[in-house]
Amino acid sequence: GAGVSQSPSNKVTEKGKDVELRCDPISGHTALYWYRQSLGQGLEFLIYFQGNSAPDKSGLPSDRFSAERTGGSVSTLTIQRTQQEDSAVYLCASSFGRVPQYFGPGTRLTVL
Amino acid sequence: TQLLEQSPQFLSIQEGENLTVYCNSSSVFSSLQWYRQEPGEGPVLLVTVVTGGEVKKLKRLTFQFGDARKDSSLHITAAQPGDTGLYLCAGADSGGGADGLTFGKGTHLIIQP
Repeated sequence: GAGVSQSPSNKVTEKGKDVELRCDPISGHTALYWYRQSLGQGLEFLIYFQGNSAPDKSGLPSDRFSAERTGGSVSTLTIQRTQQEDSAVYLCASSFGRVPQYFGPGTRLTVL
Repeated sequence: TQLLEQSPQFLSIQEGENLTVYCNSSSVFSSLQWYRQEPGEGPVLLVTVVTGGEVKKLKRLTFQFGDARKDSSLHITAAQPGDTGLYLCAGADSGGGADGLTFGKGTHLIIQP
């Protein structure tokens, strides 16, 4: 596809379970970003990958959150032992530079 | 912590009217981005402004960066129903890294036909 894709589009899980969210960026984009958007809030930065550099993890809210990017392309955001406050829309974006240019449609995560 | 205040939070107007939304901060930004987000979709980058006083036009949308690079405005002329959406501004700090991009909470705009 031509755009950023994310899967699943919706995820409902029980408190305490682990979840994996996937992002397929635009082919060739060196930068990949994960953000979280809660109702009534702005986008909250989570993590940033740029090429082969070490990722900027400064936005991850706790050690339950981790992300990896394999082969400079697909990225997976993992949330362990989910909590109700983790419920949000998780957005992935890609670009060539330091500003997210193209966002995916997001994964809506609901933790019961 | 840098904060971006957007106003108004909600705006509902009739088709054909003009409107302006604002993005204000006490912090200086190296650049400022405007995005539009529709329900169920991710934000779409509309414009980046980098120079104090800069004005950019995108069809009926006019974006302005304040002289001191602390604020910005988005003016829409003759609004259309297709302009409906959540408008987000995001400022980049001098470091320019992704962690330095601060998003406002957005302006929900509804254009009624």
